[in-house]
Amino acid sequence: GENVEQHPSTLSVQEGDSAVIKCTYSDSASNYFPWYKQELGKRPQLIIDIRSNVGEKKDQRIAVTLNKTAKHFSLHITETQPEDSAVYFCAALNQAGTALIFGKGTTLSVSS
Amino acid sequence: EPEVTQTPSHQVTQMGQEVILRCVPISNHLYFYWYRQILGQKVEFLVSFYNNEISEKSEIFDDQFSVERPDGSNFTLKIRSTKLEDSAMYFCAGGTGVKGYTFGSGTRLTVV
Repeated sequence: GENVEQHPSTLSVQEGDSAVIKCTYSDSASNYFPWYKQELGKRPQLIIDIRSNVGEKKDQRIAVTLNKTAKHFSLHITETQPEDSAVYFCAALNQAGTALIFGKGTTLSVSS
Repeated sequence: EPEVTQTPSHQVTQMGQEVILRCVPISNHLYFYWYRQILGQKVEFLVSFYNNEISEKSEIFDDQFSVERPDGSNFTLKIRSTKLEDSAMYFCAGGTGVKGYTFGSGTRLTVV
């Protein structure tokens, strides 16, 4: 089945810096890759997603890139702010399209 | 904005007891899921449900677990005989398609 690896597990940046979180997936048939942000004690919330027919998608300070050949996808946050501090999870949709498989999460800390 | 709601928000139960976790998806949702998150760990897939049937389940979802849509709107997860290791946050999720689904607010289950 699908396996998703996520790195790094923790990431500390200064306010205004960029942050990059990387994920790899195992199932070459996966075609949907969302990113979720989870603040402490709250539900995961979808922040951006990408489908396999595009290589990059951007939404204001957040962008996601996908390399299907290498089975990598990454989240890029520019001009980080303290409110970006949270746990970020990548996920990949399994081949059957019946489940999102999540990475282990990255705890992002943005200090001012 | 409509939300997926879950009740109770926190449930404490004795080991060996049965628990039922309840979810009310958004009315136009067709796909339903249960995930769990052990404290500080990743979000783990349990089961997906579509057209009143389980479409996929993970290894975690053994014979102790079951799901139902008892009245066509609510979506429940039952754990027949709880174990200490079932202590976790349980999230239901729903969507109109297999992509971009919305998580509920979660139920924190504590087995003592």
